[in-house]
Amino acid sequence: NAGVTQTPKFQVLKTGQSMTLQCAQDMNHEYMSWYRQDPGMGLRLIHYSVGAGITDQGEVPNGYNVSRSTTEDFPLRLLSAAPSQTSVYFCASSPRASFRADTQYFGPGTRLTVL
Amino acid sequence: AQKVTQAQTEISVVEKEDVTLDCVYETRDTTYYLFWYKQPPSGELVFLIRRNSFDEQNEISGRYSWNFQKSTSSFNFTITASQVVDSAVYFCALSELDMRFGAGTRLTVKP
Repeated sequence: NAGVTQTPKFQVLKTGQSMTLQCAQDMNHEYMSWYRQDPGMGLRLIHYSVGAGITDQGEVPNGYNVSRSTTEDFPLRLLSAAPSQTSVYFCASSPRASFRADTQYFGPGTRLTVL
Repeated sequence: AQKVTQAQTEISVVEKEDVTLDCVYETRDTTYYLFWYKQPPSGELVFLIRRNSFDEQNEISGRYSWNFQKSTSSFNFTITASQVVDSAVYFCALSELDMRFGAGTRLTVKP
């Protein structure tokens, strides 16, 4: 199993550009999520999904869109990139137990810089 | 929404010292999970432990031990006889419907 994969590993954007960060998992996990990591702020939840066709907002959803058309994939879209979105982005997946997010397995991260 | 506080931003110890990383959480749920993750300098996030809110037994895994106390809403992590390889950022997390993380504690173990 590849686990959780993320592409690209690095990306530089100009302000106003759009892009999609890809995330895929091959563990048949129902739950997937996106976090951003900024110095001194830990990991902050952007969006999450409890299954195909279902998504919800986390702590910092503004400026990001997600969709979950399959169990395996959970892409994160930046519609109009801003310098404040410069961060490291982590995708994670977990089996879901009793309507609570269980142990999450993280991808390697995408380092995004917005100029 | 749930909240996790890791008051220690950075800790520095000398090898072989014991060190405890503090984690305090807030939740209105009676059923939840608590976690610790490690992020070494290479950047990946490594799962260390999960604790169910109904299980307050302390856990030991080699040099690592965890103390879960619901009465004080704490889930502290102790490394015994620390080693240089323990140098990392450690995150505590709380799971209700979604999972929220603390800000992390950067541990530096000096030789």
